Amino acid sequence: GQNIDQPTEMTATEGAIVQINCTYQTSGFNGLFWYQQHAGEAPTFLSYNVLDGLEEKGRFSSFLSRSKGYSYLLLKELQMKDSASYLCAAQKGTALIFGKGTTLSVSS
Amino acid sequence: DVKVTQSSRYLVKRTGEKVFLECVQDMDHENMFWYRQDPGLGLRLIYFSYDVKMKEKGDIPEGYSVSREKKERFSLILESASTNQTSMYLCASRRDRGPGTEAFFGQGTRLTVV
Repeated sequence: GQNIDQPTEMTATEGAIVQINCTYQTSGFNGLFWYQQHAGEAPTFLSYNVLDGLEEKGRFSSFLSRSKGYSYLLLKELQMKDSASYLCAAQKGTALIFGKGTTLSVSS
Repeated sequence: DVKVTQSSRYLVKRTGEKVFLECVQDMDHENMFWYRQDPGLGLRLIYFSYDVKMKEKGDIPEGYSVSREKKERFSLILESASTNQTSMYLCASRRDRGPGTEAFFGQGTRLTVV
């Protein structure tokens, strides 16, 4: 079976740092993706982790602990345009299985 | 750039109609997927295909079928549309099933069944 959990909503202010957590229980796990989705738009790829540790990409970083079934997405120097939904997805075989998404609201 | 194109952005259909949602990708990807996205439920996998004429059920296949006659095209079929199938439908493709191969999404089709 599979279960992917992430918080429903988060709020933060411009310039701040926010961490969005994701826990998963997925048989046949083969990596963890993060996607960003602005309202009314398609999800777009942000990051991927398959090994334990931190992957950094500019203002965004993603961390994975396979033994704990845990990942987080770290967003630094928040900007208004970062207001979006952030989707955690576990790779299981061919498919990506998504969590319900975290809606992040950034205020000035 | 990979392009995943869904044939309609908005559709309104009547209960009981047979509905076809079409998706085309232009990068020779092996894998294609259909998801539906609903508020509070996130993206849920309906069906996917890993090769021409091959398909696998996802988490919520009931009431749906799919067709993949050509590598670039993956169709979702609602055999007899019902109001609980009103949703945003998203098509995606991946080059292959290798680790880290990202999925690219189409813009979505918002289907309303009345």
